[in-house]
Amino acid sequence: KQEVTQIPAALSVPEGENLVLNCSFTDSAIYNLQWFRQDPGKGLTSLLLIQSSQREQTSGRLNASLDKSSGRSTLYIAASQPGDSATYLCAVPNSGGSNYKLTFGKGTLLTVNP
Amino acid sequence: SAVISQKPSRDICQRGTSLTIQCQVDSQVTMMFWYRQQPGQSLTLIATANQGSEATYESGFVIDKFPISRPNLTFSTLTVSNMSPEDSSIYLCSVAVAANNEQFFGPGTRLTVL
Repeated sequence: KQEVTQIPAALSVPEGENLVLNCSFTDSAIYNLQWFRQDPGKGLTSLLLIQSSQREQTSGRLNASLDKSSGRSTLYIAASQPGDSATYLCAVPNSGGSNYKLTFGKGTLLTVNP
Repeated sequence: SAVISQKPSRDICQRGTSLTIQCQVDSQVTMMFWYRQQPGQSLTLIATANQGSEATYESGFVIDKFPISRPNLTFSTLTVSNMSPEDSSIYLCSVAVAANNEQFFGPGTRLTVL
C-alpha cells in the first residue's frame, strides 16, 4: 500500500526567502507525481506534474524534482511571496497498477510573512 | 486542462438527512473520481465514477452510504446518505486527463452535519 509523507508539516518564512518542501513515498514504482496547492476551505490547484521518466519540472518560480529510486520529491519555491501562503500537497498513484487513483500526503502548511 | 464546477459549494444539514453533490466538467472525460477531506486531514479517495456502470468503491466506502451516478462523460453526482456529524468534510470531485494522467479538482463542497 502506497504511503506518502510530507515534511515539514508547517513552515513559516519571511517574504523573499527561497524554500523547499519535501515529499516521500514508499512504493517507488510510480507512474507520476503531482504537486497541488490548496487554499483554506477550497479545492486543489494543480501546480506541477512530473512523469516517472522525468527528473524535474519547472513552472515560473516553482521547481519540482523527482528521485524515484529513493522515493522522494521536492518542491522548490523561489522568492516566496505572501500570496504563496497555502497548503501544498503531493500525490502519487496508488500501488497496484492504477495510474489514476491518488494517494495524498497530509500536506505542508506554508505561511509567507510580509 | 479541465474546468470543474461543484454544487452546492457548502451546506449545513441535519443528522439523518441526505445531500446530493453535483460535479460538472467542461469537457468529456473518462476518469472521474470523488474524494473526501475530513477536517485537518488529507484527501481520501471514495470511489471512481464510471459512466454507464456502477461506481467502483474504495475500501471503507459503500454504495448504500455514498451512491454515485454518472449519466454521461461530463457530469456526476455523489449522495451522502443518512448523514451523521462524522460525515462533516469537504467533498471534491476530480478528473484525470488521459494524455498525461494529470488530475484536476473541483472547488469542493463543504458539508457540515449537525
